[in-house]
Amino acid sequence: DTGVSQDPRHKITKRGQNVTFRCDPISEHNRLYWYRQTLGQGPEFLTYFQNEAQLEKSRLLSDRFSAERPKGSFSTLEIQRTEQGDSAMYLCASSDRGPNYGYTFGSGTRLTVV
Amino acid sequence: KQEVTQIPAALSVPEGENLVLNCSFTDSAIYNLQWFRQDPGKGLTSLLLIQSSQREQTSGRLNASLDKSSGRSTLYIAASQPGDSATYLCAVRLRGNEKLTFGTGTRLTIIP
Repeated sequence: DTGVSQDPRHKITKRGQNVTFRCDPISEHNRLYWYRQTLGQGPEFLTYFQNEAQLEKSRLLSDRFSAERPKGSFSTLEIQRTEQGDSAMYLCASSDRGPNYGYTFGSGTRLTVV
Repeated sequence: KQEVTQIPAALSVPEGENLVLNCSFTDSAIYNLQWFRQDPGKGLTSLLLIQSSQREQTSGRLNASLDKSSGRSTLYIAASQPGDSATYLCAVRLRGNEKLTFGTGTRLTIIP
């Protein structure tokens, strides 16, 4: 396993369009997280899955955002009717409950809304 | 609400020097603290993870310490190299909470 994979790496979209990002976690990790990072800031928590169940959502996750993790494997994050304020780096991470219990992050998807 | 602060926001040092990055947090009921490195436009690379019961962790030229009672952690980098130039982020996880709270990072530049 090569780590957490995110696709695409970059996405440029026009305001009002819908976009979908994909995250493939480390295969044995049952926890998956989405974070958003704007320029000059630390990542902020969006949502968290344990297996296929979405257990927590941040208030940052407006009604235009939806995340899924069918079958507890990969996850998708969809943003509907994108706005310029959605421009950010979207980071996915996974973890397990092993001794380290730390996060492994993917390389992120850079979204630019024009 | 957990708040994480990293000072300084930016740091430039000549190659070969030892340096310390600081991280402070307001709620000491943490499960663990993790230091990450982020290169421009890239994702996060985990450097060190310290459990709440530990005082420090070491990996190569990196040493991270944790003092829960004072709400502080430091990342010590020995014999700095130009390749160490990046933004360093610390993140804490509270007990009973799955999410990480990040600081805004320290942007480190090593001058050759």
